[in-house]
Parts: sequence; C-alpha cells; structure tokens
Amino acid sequence: DAGVIQSPRHEVTEMGQEVTLRCKPISGHNSLFWYRQTMMRGLELLIYFNNNVPIDDSGMPEDRFSAKMPNASFSTLKIQPSEPRDSAVYFCASSYLAGPSFGPGTRLTVT
Amino acid sequence: TQLLEQSPQFLSIQEGENLTVYCNSSSVFSSLQWYRQEPGEGPVLLVTVVTGGEVKKLKRLTFQFGDARKDSSLHITAAQPGDTGLYLCAGEKDSSYKLIFGSGTRLLVRP
Repeated sequence: DAGVIQSPRHEVTEMGQEVTLRCKPISGHNSLFWYRQTMMRGLELLIYFNNNVPIDDSGMPEDRFSAKMPNASFSTLKIQPSEPRDSAVYFCASSYLAGPSFGPGTRLTVT
Repeated sequence: TQLLEQSPQFLSIQEGENLTVYCNSSSVFSSLQWYRQEPGEGPVLLVTVVTGGEVKKLKRLTFQFGDARKDSSLHITAAQPGDTGLYLCAGEKDSSYKLIFGSGTRLLVRP
C-alpha cells in the first residue's frame, strides 16, 4: 500500500520564481494537510483540507502561498514569488479517523 | 508561542541505556501523539494516547499521558542505535484536526 507521495523531493530555485509542490494522499483518506518544517519553528500547519475543501488556511504565511485540491487524489502547494525565507521542508500528510500519515517531504531551497 | 515544550532538546546516550523524553504544556489536549522522524523522511506515528493516566507500550517504548492530559512522557528501555531520530509529540485540542507539535527531542544512540 503506497503511502503519501510527494514531488519533487528536492527543489532549488531562485528568489522570485514560482514553485509548485505536489502531493498524492493515501487512497481513502479524506483529510489532507500541508506542513512546513524549519529548525527555528519546527512543524507548522499551513492548510487543512477535508473532502477536498479547504477548511483552515490560517497557517498560510501570506498571499504568496496558495493551495488547491482539485480531487481526492491530488493537491498542490504553490509559492509565487518565492523568497529565501521560504526555504524549508514541506510535508503533505493525509488521514482518515486517525493520526496523519506524512509523506517524505519536499526540501525547498530558495537562493 | 510554543504550547508544547519538549525536553531534553538533545540526548546522546550509549546503547543499552534507558531514557525518558518529556512533553509538557499548560493546555489540556483531547489526545496526544508521538512521532519519530528520521533524516530525509516524514514523521511516523508511534502512538496516540487519549485518556488521562493512560499508559501504552510498544516493545521497548512506554508512553504515558498525564492525569490532567497536559503532559506526556516517552520512556525507552535498553536503547538501540535504531532508536536514533527526532521524537516529536503533538497535541490535539478539542478533538479537532489541528495538531500542535512540540519542538522535538533529537536522540542519538551510540553503539
């Protein structure tokens, strides 16, 4: 049974460029989360979807960040324009009536 | 504001030793989860505790939820190098979807 799939695993981009991170949740899971992990701030929830609908985006840092979930098997997190302070590991996680299962993460470096 | 404080932040011990990691808060949680994260991977759920005073065992790992559901501990008996990793506690408030993660305890078990 495949876990949460994220792509790319690593992304290096220049400041000002658009970055799109992708996630395929575990089949049958109806909740999807995007988290960001940094040394300074630890794991922070960015946005939560339930049944493909964004329920809570209060953790999204600013308007440069946006997330979509067009169907139950796919979600994207977009940063436009990217800034060096966005450098972090971004995790997608999904769940169904239990603690979330995390993907392997995307390590983003913005230079 | 860090609602969940973990201690110690770092721990380096010899194989075979015992250790305890603490997760403390002034807030009450409906449940508390423990995760282990290895380099380059996402956190993996170890256990969920929901009842005040609850104790759960997972092989050499013993998890306890405080009576007031504000704190938790993880005890590892006879630590092995394979236990090395970042241990994260995460509290769930009001049975909502939102997990608040602690800052983590980085454990190194030397052979």
